[in-house]
Amino acid sequence: QVQLVQSGAEVKMPGSSVKVSCKASGDIFTTSSLSWVRQAPGQGLEWVGRIIPILGMANYAQKFQGRVTITADKSTNTATMEVSSLRFDDTAVYYCARDHVGSLNTPNVYCFDPWGQGTLVTVSS
Amino acid sequence: EILMTQSPATLSVSPGERATLSCRASQSVSSSLAWYQQKPGQAPRLLIYGASTRATDIPARFSGSGSGTEFTLTISSLQSEDFAVYYCQQYNHWPETFGQGTKVEIK
Repeated sequence: QVQLVQSGAEVKMPGSSVKVSCKASGDIFTTSSLSWVRQAPGQGLEWVGRIIPILGMANYAQKFQGRVTITADKSTNTATMEVSSLRFDDTAVYYCARDHVGSLNTPNVYCFDPWGQGTLVTVSS
Repeated sequence: EILMTQSPATLSVSPGERATLSCRASQSVSSSLAWYQQKPGQAPRLLIYGASTRATDIPARFSGSGSGTEFTLTISSLQSEDFAVYYCQQYNHWPETFGQGTKVEIK
């Protein structure tokens, strides 16, 4: 059974960077891709980006291009998301999730299951 | 990006009653539509994918229907543990997008 365990909460200054990790159990790194989704306080869900660990390839939602980097370490089954140039509105819970079932019509789009427990990133001066 | 619109924003239902939640896409997403349940302080949980397929271990009281631009999640008889926020998500167009959520609260 796949489980995703994320690193703990972070408090960061504006302009700094944060790394959030997601350790996977099972064979997820050889069979699946992983996405990151964020949720600002009291708000909805927003897809950030994904990585295909076996290829080391990542892609990002347009609004995060250039500011988010997702990597994967196959030796430790750990994915890491780095967000740089943090702003106050980056304050959110960041979730990793396995890309579960894809579209029959479009490559590389998925629903998500399971999810990690979430990591709260607070940007505060 | 595909805009997903959920209605109503809040649904007040008594335990044992039926709840019907709606989700509309700004253009066709075929049947690539998922529903999630989120309780306070928890990660979302996948309930339905492919518009109507229940995920593993999801009770039969949850059902999904629709295709194209109009989708429905039905909870046939609400249990106490079903009071939560529900999100729809399309995965037919990149990037994947979510609705703003429907909160199901106790009446």
